[in-house]
Amino acid sequence: GESVGLHLPTLSVQEGDNSIINCAYSNSASDYFIWYKQESGKGPQFIIDIRSNMDKRQGQRVTVLLNKTVKHLSLQIAATQPGDSAVYFCAEKDVNQGNLIFGKGTKLSVKP
Amino acid sequence: DGGITQSPKYLFRKEGQNVTLSCEQNLNHDAMYWYRQDPGQGLRLIYYSQIVNDFQKGDIAEGYSVSREKKESFPLTVTSAQKNPTAFYLCASGGLADGGTGELFFGEGSRLTVL
Repeated sequence: GESVGLHLPTLSVQEGDNSIINCAYSNSASDYFIWYKQESGKGPQFIIDIRSNMDKRQGQRVTVLLNKTVKHLSLQIAATQPGDSAVYFCAEKDVNQGNLIFGKGTKLSVKP
Repeated sequence: DGGITQSPKYLFRKEGQNVTLSCEQNLNHDAMYWYRQDPGQGLRLIYYSQIVNDFQKGDIAEGYSVSREKKESFPLTVTSAQKNPTAFYLCASGGLADGGTGELFFGEGSRLTVL
């Protein structure tokens, strides 16, 4: 079946470095993608989204890149801070059902 | 403040008991969702509702039931038929039913432990 997944389950970076979290998706017809951040014991929080008619979108310290050719999504976090430590999920819109399909998540750990 | 409120945050249940998790939103969203999250795992969809008095099964609906009598409320009942109910349960609202972008707003979750 169609699914959204991640290349790496864990990522460890030094404070101040840039982080790149990757996501692969399989449904070439998906037209909307979201990144969520989930801190331990809490619900996911929206970070940034992107539509399929865009290749790049920037927020505050975060950038999402979409490569539709290889069905790849990435989240870049600039100057990673300890508060960025969390699990990050990508999600794609299921064009058939209208529901979001979530990947399994990448755990980001920031070393001081 | 606008948002989604889940209760209780922690719940313990004996085997064979049904429990109901509450989810209330004041965001005026039409669509509401329940997800289950197991340790180190992603989110799996249990049930969703795109409009009052209507709901659909998600990927793992067996052993669960829901109701949607009011727009603001979408309670989830974990029945005794659910063989492995210990998990973190997340409620969300938003979605495409609102004609929005598809973003979901999540509650803080309810952690259910079966003793």
